[in-house]
Order: sequence, then C-alpha cells, then structure tokens
Amino acid sequence: DARVTQTPRHKVTEMGQEVTMRCQPILGHNTVFWYRQTMMQGLELLAYFRNRAPLDDSGMPKDRFSAEMPDATLATLKIQPSEPRDSAVYFCASGLAPTGVNTGELFFGEGSRLTVL
Amino acid sequence: GIQVEQSPPDLILQEGANSTLRCNFSDSVNNLQWFHQNPWGQLINLFYIPSGTKQNGRLSATTVATERYSLLYISSSQTTDSGVYFCAVGGLGASKIIFGSGTRLSIRP
Repeated sequence: DARVTQTPRHKVTEMGQEVTMRCQPILGHNTVFWYRQTMMQGLELLAYFRNRAPLDDSGMPKDRFSAEMPDATLATLKIQPSEPRDSAVYFCASGLAPTGVNTGELFFGEGSRLTVL
Repeated sequence: GIQVEQSPPDLILQEGANSTLRCNFSDSVNNLQWFHQNPWGQLINLFYIPSGTKQNGRLSATTVATERYSLLYISSSQTTDSGVYFCAVGGLGASKIIFGSGTRLSIRP
C-alpha cells in the first residue's frame, strides 16, 4: 500500500558528524514537508517543497541544515555539523496539492529518531 | 502567521467515556486535519476537515470555519485511543501546515 518511507529509522551519532535523512514520498504526491518533533517544541515545520521546488525553509537553522529534492521520489534533510540540540524525531510528510495554494491532506512517514551525543 | 491552540492539554478518562477536543485557529483556513499520534510515535490521519462534519466509527469531527474552531469527538473511549491528538491547519493563501501543541489523552481501563 502507498506510504511515505523514511530512512534511517534510528541514528546515533557524535557531535560534529554529518547526518542525512531521506524520505520517499507517496508516488504521485507533489508536496513534501519536513517537521521536527521534540518534547519542548512540539511539531515544528522545518521546510517544504512543491513540485520539487522549495517554498519555505524559514524554520531551519540555515547554518547547519539543508533540505533538497534531487528528484520527485526523494527528499533529503542534511545536518552538518550535528549538535546535541538536534536530537529529535524528524518526520517527512507528503501530499497531493490541488490547484492553488492548498496543500491537501498530508500523510506522514514513521520518522527518523536522531540522537547526537 | 496563523496561530493554533488546542485544549485541553491533557485529558484522563475511564474506558467507555466520551470526550471533546478543541482546536482554535487565529485566521481563515483552507486546510485542517486531525491526527492521532499513538504511543509508538506514528502520526495517523483521522480527518481532513477544513469545513463541515465527518464521522468515522466512534470518531467524528466538526469544523466551523466562520468561527475559527474545530472539534474532535471520541465516543465510548477505548484504551487504544490513548495518545496525543494534533490539529494541523493551513491558512488561506498559504501552503504551510502548522501544528497545534496537541491534547494528550489517557484512557484508563
């Protein structure tokens, strides 16, 4: 059945290392969102794309985070260098946006749990 | 940007009880969804409901867009209903989807 796939599911790394998280949106979906969930901040929007073009990445710390969509089947979120405060669960969601600005219904992957020591 | 407030923040109920969760938003919306985050962390779609009323089994939702709120009703609660319920909204003329802080529901057997 159609689902959003995220890898890795769990990642433990040391401070200063590069981390790359990947997301495969549901086939045919044209909108991808990245969220970060922590106990303190809840679900924060980091960045989102429509038709592979970034629409807004104002939620991301620009100095260390980057998000891209190399093609329609892959979205990536990279942290370089990682810091302990980046420890969180990172969710990817995809949707099929109709015409106009409405994003439509979002479907979430199972998340990537990142621990930075 | 649009603000989303959910209430109550926490709710503890006995199995079989009914509950109403509320989501208030600060501006007109073109997108509103309810999600359930289960104890394993998965975000499960419940309703896509920018306006009107929908029902799915023991769950139903109503969004009154003109008054800027949405309600999620859970009837005859079961322990498997435990978890965090999130409301997420997208404002008119905007593509971003913003989450409320959630309502943590605990159903006691």
